[in-house]
Amino acid sequence: GQNIDQPTEMTATEGAIVQINCTYQTSGFNGLFWYQQHAGEAPTFLSYNVLDGLEEKGRFSSFLSRSKGYSYLLLKELQMKDSASYLCAVRPSDSSYKLIFGSGTRLLVRP
Amino acid sequence: GAVVSQHPSRVICKSGTSVKIECRSLDFQATTMFWYRQFPKQSLMLMATSNEGSKATYEQGVEKDKFLINHASLTLSTLTVTSAHPEDSSFYICSASWTGDEAFFGQGTRLTVV
Repeated sequence: GQNIDQPTEMTATEGAIVQINCTYQTSGFNGLFWYQQHAGEAPTFLSYNVLDGLEEKGRFSSFLSRSKGYSYLLLKELQMKDSASYLCAVRPSDSSYKLIFGSGTRLLVRP
Repeated sequence: GAVVSQHPSRVICKSGTSVKIECRSLDFQATTMFWYRQFPKQSLMLMATSNEGSKATYEQGVEKDKFLINHASLTLSTLTVTSAHPEDSSFYICSASWTGDEAFFGQGTRLTVV
C-alpha cells in the first residue's frame, strides 16, 4: 500500500525556523514534492526532490533521504503569510505523473 | 510556469442534478490530467487519471458511473458529478503535467449540493 505521514499541526513564531517532516512508504519512488495550500485555494508548488540531499530555494529548503523514506521542508524567517497547510506528495511511478499526497501539516505562524 | 484553468470556481446545485467541471491546460498539451477531491481539513485524494482519447483510470472506491470523466482533447478534461448528493459536496481540483518535475493545479471548484 501507499502511506505518507506528516504531523497534523505545527505552531511557530514569526521570524523563526520550522521543519516539517514527512515519511513515506510507497510501491515505488520517482520524486517527492512539497506544496503549500492556503485555505480554499489550490496547492502551489514549492519543491521537488528525486535525489538524496538538500534543495534550497530562498526561504524554503527541502531534504530527501531515499534510504530512510524521509523528507523535510524547512522554512526560514517565518512570515505570517506562511500560515498554511503544507502537503508532502510522492510520485510512485516513472510511467505516470500521478501523485500520492500525505494528510498535510497545518502550520500556524504567530506574531 | 504552465497554467491550468478550472471552471467554475464555485457551484451550488440541487440534490439529484448533475454538475460539470472543466479543466484546461492553457499553454501546453496535457495527455494526462488528474482529478482530486479534498474534504475540509483533509488532504487531496486522487479520484482518477484522465487520459486523452481513452477511458479514465479510477482509484479504488471511486464510482466511475457517478464521476464521469471525459478527456476529448489535449487541453481539456471534464469531470461530471452525476445525480449529486450533499455528501458529494467537496473541493475538486485538477492537475496536469508534461514533465515529472512539477504538476500544475487548477484553481479548484467548490461544489455545494443542497
